[in-house]
Amino acid sequence: KAGVTQTPRYLIKTRGQQVTLSCSPISGHRSVSWYQQTPGQGLQFLFEYFSETQRNKGNFPGRFSGRQFSNSRSEMNVSTLELGDSALYLCASSLQINRVASGGELFFGEGSRLTVL
Amino acid sequence: DQQVKQNSPSLSVQEGRISILNCDYTNSMFDYFLWYKKYPAEGPTFLISISSIKDKNEDGRFTVFLNKSAKHLSLHIVPSQPGDSAVYFCAAPIQGAQKLVFGQGTRLTINP
Repeated sequence: KAGVTQTPRYLIKTRGQQVTLSCSPISGHRSVSWYQQTPGQGLQFLFEYFSETQRNKGNFPGRFSGRQFSNSRSEMNVSTLELGDSALYLCASSLQINRVASGGELFFGEGSRLTVL
Repeated sequence: DQQVKQNSPSLSVQEGRISILNCDYTNSMFDYFLWYKKYPAEGPTFLISISSIKDKNEDGRFTVFLNKSAKHLSLHIVPSQPGDSAVYFCAAPIQGAQKLVFGQGTRLTINP
């Protein structure tokens, strides 16, 4: 069974540009979450989608947005990039709604490492 | 507000000895706690979890202990092996949400 696939793996952008990251969840998984990992901050929740609907959103500015398609694939977009947006962006999927809330695991992709110059 | 904290950024342990990774939390409403392990250039992978109604959960070489009165949990790895060298994150789900809050992580290095 293929795992969570994220593309691109690495990318470099300059301040002010925008970026779109893609995530394909494990087949059959309908919940997709996004996390940002920066040094010293650990992983911080960005948003979560289920059945094309955003169900939860973290404490990030409106420049960060996302969506989910009918095949459960998800994209996140960051507009007007800032230096502080340099991070590893991780996508995670789970089989059921509220799986995490009941102690179930998330399956993470390898991440997309964004560098903003 | 950091609801889950790992105060040790790094830990170095001799191969074969016990590794103890610590985690503190502030939210007494957490129902579960989880540990994830992350190798460089890979995504985090689930290691072990514990329900808030238990004080211990064991899976092979890995045991998690929960002290609710102290709002503290720890992950014990016995015996430690070189392949255990990784960054370990403790995490807890927000009640009613498909969302985890993570600690900052502890980099564990197992020395031969």
